[in-house]
Amino acid sequence: AQSVAQPEDQVNVAEGNPLTVKCTYSVSGNPYLFWYVQYPNRGLQFLLKYITGDNLVKGSYGFEAEFNKSQTSFHLKKPSALVSDSALYFCAVRDGNTGKLIFGQGTTLQVKP
Amino acid sequence: KAGVTQTPRYLIKTRGQQVTLSCSPISGHRSVSWYQQTPGQGLQFLFEYFSETQRNKGNFPGRFSGRQFSNSRSEMNVSTLELGDSALYLCASSFQEGPGELFFGEGSRLTVL
Repeated sequence: AQSVAQPEDQVNVAEGNPLTVKCTYSVSGNPYLFWYVQYPNRGLQFLLKYITGDNLVKGSYGFEAEFNKSQTSFHLKKPSALVSDSALYFCAVRDGNTGKLIFGQGTTLQVKP
Repeated sequence: KAGVTQTPRYLIKTRGQQVTLSCSPISGHRSVSWYQQTPGQGLQFLFEYFSETQRNKGNFPGRFSGRQFSNSRSEMNVSTLELGDSALYLCASSFQEGPGELFFGEGSRLTVL
């Protein structure tokens, strides 16, 4: 069955330091991978996606993600964190066969000044 | 361009009642999907509609239903409300079916007493 795992409930990082939010997936067929961010009391905002092509995907607000097929991972990264990056981050995978979009449990990113 | 609009934003119901939530997608978007977000279960897929046809359905009981109109607006209905139905219900739209990014509304927060 398709699934997405975000192994960390919370990630803490100091402003200016690099950040990584982890995501692993399991799907049948080709994976279409996404990262979304949610600010308090708001809907989700799209950050980036991997459909095919280069394994390093660049997205909004300076975020990027690396697709690793052998490790079935799609970790979100940013070279230098900002306090304003503090939010809830969701990894999602769209099963290429069924079309369903499955979200991970979310990781809270806390960036401290 | 206006974003995805969900109404009402907040509502309180009692057990046994029913509720209808509305979603107006971004102009030109023909695909609408619904998600339930709770602290315990995270984001769970409810349904996806494209051109008035349900394309996918999540693992929810029959009390949860939805539909899409010819103008792409969508509604979801929950009958015989239970306490566990208290959640943030998110609607998302996209231009077409397939692995494109979703654009989310800010959600309808339902509280069942």
